Amino acid sequence: TQLLEQSPQFLSIQEGENLTVYCNSSSVFSSLQWYRQEPGEGPVLLVTVVTGGEVKKLKRLTFQFGDARKDSSLHITAAQPGDTGLYLCAGDYTGNQFYFGTGTSLTVIP
Amino acid sequence: IAGITQAPTSQILAAGRRMTLRCTQDMRHNAMYWYRQDLGLGLRLIHYSNTAGTTGKGEVPDGYSVSRANTDDFPLTLASAVPSQTSVYFCASKLQGSTDTQYFGPGTRLTVL
Repeated sequence: TQLLEQSPQFLSIQEGENLTVYCNSSSVFSSLQWYRQEPGEGPVLLVTVVTGGEVKKLKRLTFQFGDARKDSSLHITAAQPGDTGLYLCAGDYTGNQFYFGTGTSLTVIP
Repeated sequence: IAGITQAPTSQILAAGRRMTLRCTQDMRHNAMYWYRQDLGLGLRLIHYSNTAGTTGKGEVPDGYSVSRANTDDFPLTLASAVPSQTSVYFCASKLQGSTDTQYFGPGTRLTVL
């Protein structure tokens, strides 16, 4: 059973386009994190959101935590080839243990 | 500062053999984790340790064991490897709180034949 479902699973877009990745669950999380992973490496944390409705911006990336703390989205504006990678969401609802989503593989074509 | 190191980088193992994956961190983090990553399934938590001397089971603990004798080291042991344990294994650590940054090692690619 996957606690966190991400969509889409794969996404291929042209440089300069905008995109949104979704992370959904039926469980309420105390916090939710977004990671980016490149081939052959471990995931790297992008952001942590803890408050329902919270919006955080990291340059061209905008992260939102749902009001009920069950879902989150990642929006990338004007995607660049350097944004290519696997994006993972991870939720903590048991305290100090993170459950990861299935991942969204993003390819940005120059 | 090295952060988190894992060894070996990759390993091919015959089914039934015993294998220990090593993980060491030099950041004095209290919490450490072992995950496996399989295509289409994301990362799944195998075992975790909130502090030295304590361990807990994650989502997929069967066939794996861990120990946490000190703060820095968190080895993962496969007592008798099976082909379904073929995966990429990641070790991670973080300071303590749930919002603290979790740092990942470079991973160990394990193939069980």
